[in-house]
Amino acid sequence: KQEVTQIPAALSVPEGENLVLNCSFTDSAIYNLQWFRQDPGKGLTSLLLIQSSQREQTSGRLNASLDKSSGRSTLYIAASQPGDSATYLCAVLRSNDYKLSFGAGTTVTVRA
Amino acid sequence: NAGVMQNPRHLVRRRGQEARLRCSPMKGHSHVYWYRQLPEEGLKFMVYLQKENIIDESGMPKERFSAEFPKEGPSILRIQQVVRGDSAAYFCASSPDPGPAASSGANVLTFGAGSRLTVL
Repeated sequence: KQEVTQIPAALSVPEGENLVLNCSFTDSAIYNLQWFRQDPGKGLTSLLLIQSSQREQTSGRLNASLDKSSGRSTLYIAASQPGDSATYLCAVLRSNDYKLSFGAGTTVTVRA
Repeated sequence: NAGVMQNPRHLVRRRGQEARLRCSPMKGHSHVYWYRQLPEEGLKFMVYLQKENIIDESGMPKERFSAEFPKEGPSILRIQQVVRGDSAAYFCASSPDPGPAASSGANVLTFGAGSRLTVL
């Protein structure tokens, strides 16, 4: 059974600081890993998807790395802004499967 | 493309009533997945459906919960005789034909905005 853990559960930083969000998973036989953003009372927005053959993905101020062998992924958000305040979810898809396993999320607050 | 549409966005029910949540997948997507998010927890898989078929309902509670995806119309998640513990956000996702996981990225899911059920 795939277990996905996100640390820390909550994070508060001043505007402009870089954010580092961690995700770990127990079964390294994954097909891909995805980072989502969830705003209060709203749905999930996909931020980055990393295939198992990739080491990282970048989009604007966001960069996600993947180390399959150690079962870890890190989401970096550069120069944080108040608009980055949200809950960030990590989700893993195992090979030959269709069910995503989600972490409980990291709730980020960026203070102006 | 309107994306994955879920309704209602918010639903309030009293204990013992029935809740029906609807999900219209993205155009061209024939696979629907339901996930449940309990407070302070991650999303948990409930059920995977194709048109007129339940493929995997291993995440569904054995009683009171059912799901369908008819040939015409949206997918429906039905909860009978709701209890307070059913209060949660229910998310629907859709994908095109997923195929074998190793073949392509076709099994990338697109999520709806969720339906938030509150049981009084």
